[in-house]
This record gives sequence, structure tokens and C-alpha cells, in this order.
Amino acid sequence: AQSVAQPEDQVNVAEGNPLTVKCTYSVSGNPYLFWYVQYPNRGLQFLLKYITGDNLVKGSYGFEAEFNKSQTSFHLKKPSALVSDSALYFCAVSPLSGSARQLTFGSGTQLTVLP
Amino acid sequence: DVKVTQSSRYLVKRTGEKVFLECVQDMDHENMFWYRQDPGLGLRLIYFSYDVKMKEKGDIPEGYSVSREKKERFSLILESASTNQTSMYLCASSLGGLRDSAYEQYFGPGTRLTVT
Repeated sequence: AQSVAQPEDQVNVAEGNPLTVKCTYSVSGNPYLFWYVQYPNRGLQFLLKYITGDNLVKGSYGFEAEFNKSQTSFHLKKPSALVSDSALYFCAVSPLSGSARQLTFGSGTQLTVLP
Repeated sequence: DVKVTQSSRYLVKRTGEKVFLECVQDMDHENMFWYRQDPGLGLRLIYFSYDVKMKEKGDIPEGYSVSREKKERFSLILESASTNQTSMYLCASSLGGLRDSAYEQYFGPGTRLTVT
């Protein structure tokens, strides 16, 4: 079975500083990895995904994520944080098989960007 | 833009009531999902459907059932609501098939259900 771990419940960063939200995964075979964001009182929004190819994946709102196979990690990064980036972030993994491409989500990391 | 709508944003029900949560998507997606979201637990998959009248159990199906009579609509049913089913319920949809885009799920705004 596949699983995802987000080791930090809360990440605080000052506006303008780089941010990192951590994610590690466990899956048989090649992983398909995703980041979603949930703004207050809104549904989850897709940010980016890693399927194959370059280890550095670029997504929406200036976010990027680095896939590291040896460390089984998929950390979310942004060079310069904005107050508007404050939200709940979820990492997710998908198994290779399965009829509907179901995702397994991590527990979420609350990101707060301080002005 | 894909739009996934859920019938209610907030719902309060009594223990033992039968509860229906409705979800509609407008992009002709084959796959539809129901999750519950609880603090510290993330999203947990309750049921999903990859075609009309087809359904599969997710990780926590106990106490729930689903119905998919039309492609655009996926209903979650709590046969006899209990207080431990108080949660945020999220519906999602995605394309079918083997293409990479089938992994990208589109979510509704959620229904916050309180069972008293």
C-alpha cells in the first residue's frame, strides 16, 4: 500500500523568504506525486504533479517541487513567499494500478506567511 | 473551468437521521470521489466511482453508501448518521482512462456536516 508523510503540521515563514513544505512517500514501483492547496473556506486546488521526466516540477502560483528518488521525497518550494500563500497544503501519491487513479493524501501542512 | 458543486456548504443533522450529500460535475468526467477531511488526518477516501452505476470502496467506507445513476452526479448517503461522522466532506472528479491527466482531481467546496 502507498502512503504519504508530511512531518510538519505547521510551517511559518516571513514574507519574501524562501519556503519549503516537506513530503515523503512510500509506494511500490514508480510514484506519481501531487501537491494540492486549500485556501480558507475553499475546496482543494491542484498545484503541480510529478509523473516522469525532470525532477524539478513547476506548478501554479510560482510553486515548484523537487522529486528525490533516493530520499523518497517530494518537497514543495517557492523562492519568495507571499502572505497570500498562507493555506493548507496536501501532498498526495497515486498507485500505478487502479481503475480510477485514486489518490492517497498526507495529513496536511498549514503554511503561515508572516508580513 | 471544471466546476464541481456540492448541494450544501453547511448541514446539521440529528443522530440516526438518513443524510444525503449530493455532488455534481459539469465536465463529463468518468471518475468521481468522496472524501472526508478531519484535522490532523488529511483527506481519507470513502468511496469512488469510475463509471455510472459502478462504485468501489475506499479506505473508510463503513457507515456510508453511494449512488451514481447519472454520469454527472455522485451521492453520498449516511444511512444512520452518528456523531463520529461529523466532518468536512469533499467531492472530486477526474477524467477516466490511462492518460496522465486522469490523475488530476477537481474538488468541490465541501460540505461541513455536524451530527448532534
